[in-house]
Order: sequence, then C-alpha cells, then structure tokens
Amino acid sequence: EVQLVESGGGLVQPGGSLRLSCAASGFTFSSSAMSWVRQAPGKGLEWVSAISGGSDYIYYADPVKGRFTISRDNSKNTLYLQMRSLRAEDTAVYWCAKEDRSVYSMDVWGLGTTVIVSS
Amino acid sequence: DIVVTQSPDSLAVSLGERATINCKSSQSVLYSSNNKNYLAWYQQRPGQPPKLLIYWASTRQSGVPDRFSGSGSGTDFTLTISSLQAEDVAVYHCQQYYNTPPTFGQGTKLEIK
Repeated sequence: EVQLVESGGGLVQPGGSLRLSCAASGFTFSSSAMSWVRQAPGKGLEWVSAISGGSDYIYYADPVKGRFTISRDNSKNTLYLQMRSLRAEDTAVYWCAKEDRSVYSMDVWGLGTTVIVSS
Repeated sequence: DIVVTQSPDSLAVSLGERATINCKSSQSVLYSSNNKNYLAWYQQRPGQPPKLLIYWASTRQSGVPDRFSGSGSGTDFTLTISSLQAEDVAVYHCQQYYNTPPTFGQGTKLEIK
C-alpha cells in the first residue's frame, strides 16, 4: 500500500525551529519528486516546497524562502522539512505529497501534521 | 505567479442534482507542445487530506467515479458532478502546475441542500 506518514509537528514559539518528517512506503521513493503543502486555518491549500527524486531540483514558495529547507534521505525513504524563524503565519496543517511528474499532479498525500506558532 | 480563482466559494446542491465548480487561471495553462492543460482537481473531505480527482483538466484519476468530470482549456475550467451523492460533501480545489510555484484556487465548499 502506498503510504505517507508525517510527523514532527507541534507548538513552537515565534522565531523557533521545527523539523517535519515524512516516511514513505509502497512506492519507489527515490524516483519520486515530493512536495510539502500546507493549509492555514480556514484558508486554501498553499504549496510550500518541492524536491526531485535525486535532490537535483529544489524549489520554495516565496513566503518560506530562506527560512525552510527541504531535503530527503532516499536510503531511509524519508522526506524532511526544516523550518526556522517560524512566524505566526506558518501555523497550518502540513502535508507531504508524492508528485506524479507524468501527469503533473500530486497523487498521494499523507494525513498531515499540525504546526502551531504561538507564544 | 499564476493566480487561480475558483467560483463560487460555496454552493449547496440537492442529492442527485448536478454540481458545477469553476476555476480560472490568470494565464493559460495549456502547454502547446503536448496540447495538455496543466490543471488538476482535488477533493478534500472534512478532516482528510486532499485527494486527486482529475489531472490534465479532464482525465479522471484511477478509481474516481465517472460522475466526476472536468472540462475546459487555456484559462477556464469546470468540475462537474453529474449526480451529487452524500459522500461528495467536501471542499474542491483546482491547481495549476504549468509553472513553479504550483498554485491552488481558494477552494469551493460543496454542501447538500
């Protein structure tokens, strides 16, 4: 079964850091581009970052550029999102998603992990 | 960035009736070299992650009921549910992947009337 399981969310103070993880199973992780997508309370979906299978290509949304770092460990089938200098506006549910680059869409999503940035 | 706008923000439809959701992109997402529209639709049921319904604007993902259909090209797209079922209550999102960053519409909340 194809599965993505996020972890690492929680409550953090403004300016703090957090690292999210996404454990993948059931597909060839190393061949798959992956994305992080978030949804703030009451808001729409917002793409955050993407990484190619071999980490050759990495992209960030402007609001997180310079603060977030996406990475992956293909030996562990795990995707990461290191978040620094967190702001209240980063409060959201964060999902990792597998990209199907043959059809340019996100065909598998995890259940999500919640990040709350508050003092 | 390409701005994607959905309409309406919410709608209520009776069971068995047709539901129509619109999606408009600020520039064309039709790639001329392969004649494909880089537009996808997702369904997000309450408390769940998004689920891919349609890609290339009109191709149903495997396992998606055929009451769901997508249409449109260029900048204007439509998701149609031909006969609304109770399990279709959800927020529907369109997304363009013509270029990076991929951008989503604000979502359309679909309820039962």
